[in-house]
Amino acid sequence: EAQVTQNPRYLITVTGKKLTVTCSQNMNHEYMSWYRQDPGLGLRQIYYSMNVEATDKGDVPEGYKVSRKEKRNFPLILESPSPNQTSLYFCASSLKTGNSPLHFGNGTRLTVT
Amino acid sequence: GENVEQHPSTLSVQEGDSAVIKCTYSDSASNYFPWYKQELGKGPQLIIDIRSNVGEKKDQRIAVTLNKTAKHFSLHITETQPEDSAVYFCAASKQAGTALIFGKGTTLSVSS
Repeated sequence: EAQVTQNPRYLITVTGKKLTVTCSQNMNHEYMSWYRQDPGLGLRQIYYSMNVEATDKGDVPEGYKVSRKEKRNFPLILESPSPNQTSLYFCASSLKTGNSPLHFGNGTRLTVT
Repeated sequence: GENVEQHPSTLSVQEGDSAVIKCTYSDSASNYFPWYKQELGKGPQLIIDIRSNVGEKKDQRIAVTLNKTAKHFSLHITETQPEDSAVYFCAASKQAGTALIFGKGTTLSVSS
């Protein structure tokens, strides 16, 4: 089944403790992206990757890192999480960026205390 | 850069009624306009999209219209059902290589 898989689904952590949210897609998509969803703010792009070893900042990249060493995986790294990073995070992929349909994972609910 | 405005933020209808959600975009070069539906506890899922060379597209009870001159596009859902209750997002982008810009979403509630 074609899908984008994120883990974990739920994560509670404390300020400053490094964490990684994994994302994997099995559709051989070139483009992958991370979004955060907050009430009243919609979906905001954090980072995106056009292909392996090609990543770039989205609209809200501060406090986040990503890597794209393999085509299928695109982990999101929070080196020192803060409470303002409490949010619902989505990974997405598409064949190409821009005018190809995005496929989303089911989300990771992160709480930073 | 591109900016997408979506209205209304919430919409309540009775089962069987129609629902319309409207979006405006700022960049006249945008040429791809998808709509996503997000059900509770899930990620957004593409339900319909339209490209700038088409004025209208239908898929069963769902239709999208595009007015390039006015730079707005709309989602129309006819004969709404309780399972249509969800958050709907519009988005816009230019050619391949540019990001999709999303509206802030519309929470649709369909009561039976």
